[in-house]
Amino acid sequence: AQSVTQLGSHVSVSEGALVLLRCNYSSSVPPYLFWYVQYPNQGLQLLLKYTSAATLVKGINGFEAEFKKSETSFHLTKPSAHMSDAAEYFCAVSAFNQAGTALIFGKGTTLSVSS
Amino acid sequence: GAGVSQSPSNKVTEKGKDVELRCDPISGHTALYWYRQSLGQGLEFLIYFQGNSAPDKSGLPSDRFSAERTGGSVSTLTIQRTQQEDSAVYLCASQGGGTLEQYFGPGTRLTVT
Repeated sequence: AQSVTQLGSHVSVSEGALVLLRCNYSSSVPPYLFWYVQYPNQGLQLLLKYTSAATLVKGINGFEAEFKKSETSFHLTKPSAHMSDAAEYFCAVSAFNQAGTALIFGKGTTLSVSS
Repeated sequence: GAGVSQSPSNKVTEKGKDVELRCDPISGHTALYWYRQSLGQGLEFLIYFQGNSAPDKSGLPSDRFSAERTGGSVSTLTIQRTQQEDSAVYLCASQGGGTLEQYFGPGTRLTVT
């Protein structure tokens, strides 16, 4: 079975500061991992994905994440926060060994960015 | 179309009424998923379609929930005899081209009064 834990339901940073959103996963098979962003009243947009290739994954809007098997983590980072990064972020794992690839999501982390 | 579309964007209904939610996936995408997003439960998988078949219905919370997909395209999620706990945002996602990415629609916000 797969599960995802996002540490911290709310993270606040100043504009220009480092963004770090934490995600730990549990998976009985090699996982496929995703980060999605959701802006108010919108659907989910894929930021980046890990599919067993490079462990450091670069995504859109300057975000990146590193897959660390030993720590079962897939934390999302951005060197310098921008006001437009304020949104809710979801980490997800895919049960790829089953028919279909239904995503299992964490509870989400709301990122606030102050000027 | 360019992306996944859902209708209506908002639906307010009285307890006990039936509702239908529609999803138009990206053209050519063979896989389609329904998820529910609620304050208490976060994002939950409901059902998965491959073509017109639903090999995984494990997430449907009760027999009041059903879904169908026709022509390998449009899908409808039906909730019968709605309850207040059904209030949530219902998200649809499509997937295709041999990739893992799921592309999400904007969702339907359902409010049961």
